[in-house]
Amino acid sequence: DTGVSQDPRHKITKRGQNVTFRCDPISEHNRLYWYRQTLGQGPEFLTYFQNEAQLEKSRLLSDRFSAERPKGSFSTLEIQRTEQGDSAMYLCASSLEPRGRGEAFFGQGTRLTVV
Amino acid sequence: GDSVTQMEGPVTLSEEAFLTINCTYTATGYPSLFWYVQYPGEGLQLLLKATKADDKGSNKGFEATYRKETTSFHLEKGSVQVSDSAVYFCALRTGAGSYQLTFGKGTKLSVIP
Repeated sequence: DTGVSQDPRHKITKRGQNVTFRCDPISEHNRLYWYRQTLGQGPEFLTYFQNEAQLEKSRLLSDRFSAERPKGSFSTLEIQRTEQGDSAMYLCASSLEPRGRGEAFFGQGTRLTVV
Repeated sequence: GDSVTQMEGPVTLSEEAFLTINCTYTATGYPSLFWYVQYPGEGLQLLLKATKADDKGSNKGFEATYRKETTSFHLEKGSVQVSDSAVYFCALRTGAGSYQLTFGKGTKLSVIP
């Protein structure tokens, strides 16, 4: 198993454009999480999926953000009409529950720069 | 709401020095506590964890003890190496629902030979 994979690793986009990121979790993991990390801060929770169901969304997740996990495997995070304040590292994590007891494995992240 | 406060960095130590990174938390209920480490260019990795009061998590020479009375989970290592240079994040998780993690801001450690 290669761990959690995220693509792309870096994305530079112009303000107002839409962007989509992909996360491939560890294959048997049923939970998938998205976090956002800005410079000098710790990761902040955005949303999570239990299999294909999106069960919780943070208030940080404005209506310009949408996440999907259509078959309970990979997930996508789309940001519409990007703003400079969206510039951050977007982290994906996965875990196996309940056996994993909440231990989350993180990908290397997608760094978004909005210019 | 839940929160984690950890000591401001950066921290610079000489090789073989003793390391302490302070972490305190505010949470409802009985959280599980974690230390994650992020090496340059890599993703977050779980370093150690403790799930109940007085538990001690340990890994790679690092230790942290869950102190409910002081709401703390300080990270310690007796003798740091250059390879320990990284950013360290304290985190907590409460409840049996989402298992979402609440992180501190991170402490950057640089170890010089």
